Amino acid sequence: GESVGLHLPTLSVQEGDNSIINCAYSNSASDYFIWYKQESGKGPQFIIDIRSNMDKRQGQRVTVLLNKTVKHLSLQIAATQPGDSAVYFCAENTGGFKTIFGAGTRLFVKA
Amino acid sequence: GAGVSQSPSNKVTEKGKDVELRCDPISGHTALYWYRQSLGQGLEFLIYFQGNSAPDKSGLPSDRFSAERTGGSVSTLTIQRTQQEDSAVYLCASSLAGQGINQPQHFGDGTRLSIL
Repeated sequence: GESVGLHLPTLSVQEGDNSIINCAYSNSASDYFIWYKQESGKGPQFIIDIRSNMDKRQGQRVTVLLNKTVKHLSLQIAATQPGDSAVYFCAENTGGFKTIFGAGTRLFVKA
Repeated sequence: GAGVSQSPSNKVTEKGKDVELRCDPISGHTALYWYRQSLGQGLEFLIYFQGNSAPDKSGLPSDRFSAERTGGSVSTLTIQRTQQEDSAVYLCASSLAGQGINQPQHFGDGTRLSIL
């Protein structure tokens, strides 16, 4: 399939280690944040979201942290697996329909 | 369950030809979005529909690009007189989002457009 994000920031981790992907968002008025995973040749897939009245939310093997003071969002993946290799996008939303996507980070998982 | 469906999955055409890309959103999703993704780039917003109306067309790159949505469901993105710089993956997404309602977008796998 077509490669996505050849020139994106890259994070390389060993299988089984924890991964942390960081994102700085732009708009202090944003009140909803989403992480997406995009595998080669596929569309972005929703992973987890968080609203601005929270600073942490956990899913299955994933945790999103939100620091509104410094406009920073992170995605933590526990026990990273080869299937987690993909490009990860953060996205912010200021109410309703308009969503702004970050540039993306490529995650490589070494077996 | 059925996700967002896009067709064709791949399209190769000659410069100067018109192309039409189709998106079939998740049933019941009132919001529909079109994005463009070039190799090595993030998502470039093109247009947004709420129902059949397009309150935000700000991302359309030129007047060669147009989109419509009928019946609050299927949408088509049309590119007239295609240029080589139009080559990209065109992604469609839908959601339950509305004004003041935050919901994630659900994406199709895109149409890979190549202009020769």
